[in-house]
Amino acid sequence: DTAVSQTPKYLVTQMGNDKSIKCEQNLGHDTMYWYKQDSKKFLKIMFSYNNKELIINETVPNRFSPKSPDKAHLNLHINSLELGDSAVYFCASSQFSDRGPGELFFGEGSRLTVL
Amino acid sequence: GQNIDQPTEMTATEGAIVQINCTYQTSGFNGLFWYQQHAGEAPTFLSYNVLDGLEEKGRFSSFLSRSKGYSYLLLKELQMKDSASYLCAVVDSNYQLIWGAGTKLIIKP
Repeated sequence: DTAVSQTPKYLVTQMGNDKSIKCEQNLGHDTMYWYKQDSKKFLKIMFSYNNKELIINETVPNRFSPKSPDKAHLNLHINSLELGDSAVYFCASSQFSDRGPGELFFGEGSRLTVL
Repeated sequence: GQNIDQPTEMTATEGAIVQINCTYQTSGFNGLFWYQQHAGEAPTFLSYNVLDGLEEKGRFSSFLSRSKGYSYLLLKELQMKDSASYLCAVVDSNYQLIWGAGTKLIIKP
């Protein structure tokens, strides 16, 4: 069983389209994340969410929105796609404690290409 | 601002030892992680340090000095499969993870 799974793995689409990436974790963790990794390989946090709080990186355009139907799922919706959105998007989960976020478990990544 | 510095790239020889350094300037400190990321794959957890000193785990060890804002990852008996990027990440006072840009390690035969 895959601990953190995200779909699709590859996504090629045109500028201006709207797309979604789904993420599910079966680890029972209380916190999920979306990261963007660009061509320079820098991991940039976009959102972190647990059943109490959504934390949004203020630099993320509001075209990006997380949707969490339950604590095991955190989907990423992107409206009006732009060329600069091309990147690999990683979903991750962890169990938050009084020591902080704990070890992150990552999904395999979703490579988005905007043409 | 918050900052994590790592060398961009390092090269080492199979069987040798390599040390990857990470220096940080963050608003508070609540622990430091090292992750390994092979090309085209997801990052995977290697180590966690919250107290000063050395944590050893097989061929990999991680060291932390909180007073110096410094950590290193030590890889011994290098194997070709150790070719990967190594990411340093610090937990700040708000319990947010601050990531370095990663160090690409190239292993040569």
